[in-house]
Amino acid sequence: SQTIHQWPATLVQPVGSPLSLECTVEGTSNPNLYWYRQAAGRGLQLLFYSVGIGQISSEVPQNLSASRPQDRQFILSSKKLLLSDSGFYLCAWRGGRTQETQYFGPGTRLLVL
Amino acid sequence: AQSVTQPDIHITVSEGASLELRCNYSYGATPYLFWYVQSPGQGLQLLLKYFSGDTLVQGIKGFEAEFKRSQSSFNLRKPSVHWSDAAEYFCAVGTALKNNDMRFGAGTRLTVKP
Repeated sequence: SQTIHQWPATLVQPVGSPLSLECTVEGTSNPNLYWYRQAAGRGLQLLFYSVGIGQISSEVPQNLSASRPQDRQFILSSKKLLLSDSGFYLCAWRGGRTQETQYFGPGTRLLVL
Repeated sequence: AQSVTQPDIHITVSEGASLELRCNYSYGATPYLFWYVQSPGQGLQLLLKYFSGDTLVQGIKGFEAEFKRSQSSFNLRKPSVHWSDAAEYFCAVGTALKNNDMRFGAGTRLTVKP
């Protein structure tokens, strides 16, 4: 079966520091991968998605970037964090019979101070 | 483009009472429809999904949802709510035609009174 991992689970970072969040998927190959952000009390905002190694699509302009160095690894980064980057970051992969369903990881809580 | 609306931001029900969470979608053809549940500090867990066939779909944890094309709705139901059902519930719509086509509602927060 497929599983998705995210780490760290929680992160507290000062403003202006760099960021690296990692997401890995097991049990599937060449999945579509997604990064979402969920601000406190808000819905999900799609940040990036990737259909393959080195292929990144950005949904919104922002302080963040994403990379996919390996087939089942998706990384969310920032060179300098802003206060507004605080939130809950969710990684997801797309599967199902016709690749119609997104399955989510446990999330990373980021607090920028 | 497809979209989804969850009219209720917050719902409170008593334990043992029935539950219905509303979801309305907008899409020209038959969409893929999903309900997810999110406990505090956790990721989203898929409860159920619909993309064809029987319009009443059964999910995990005793939940079910009914697709009503005439009303563009996909409401989630549970006959008897348990305290552990307290969580945030998200409805989503997709088409599987594009890689970034899934749209999520704003969520409904469920509180369960003892």
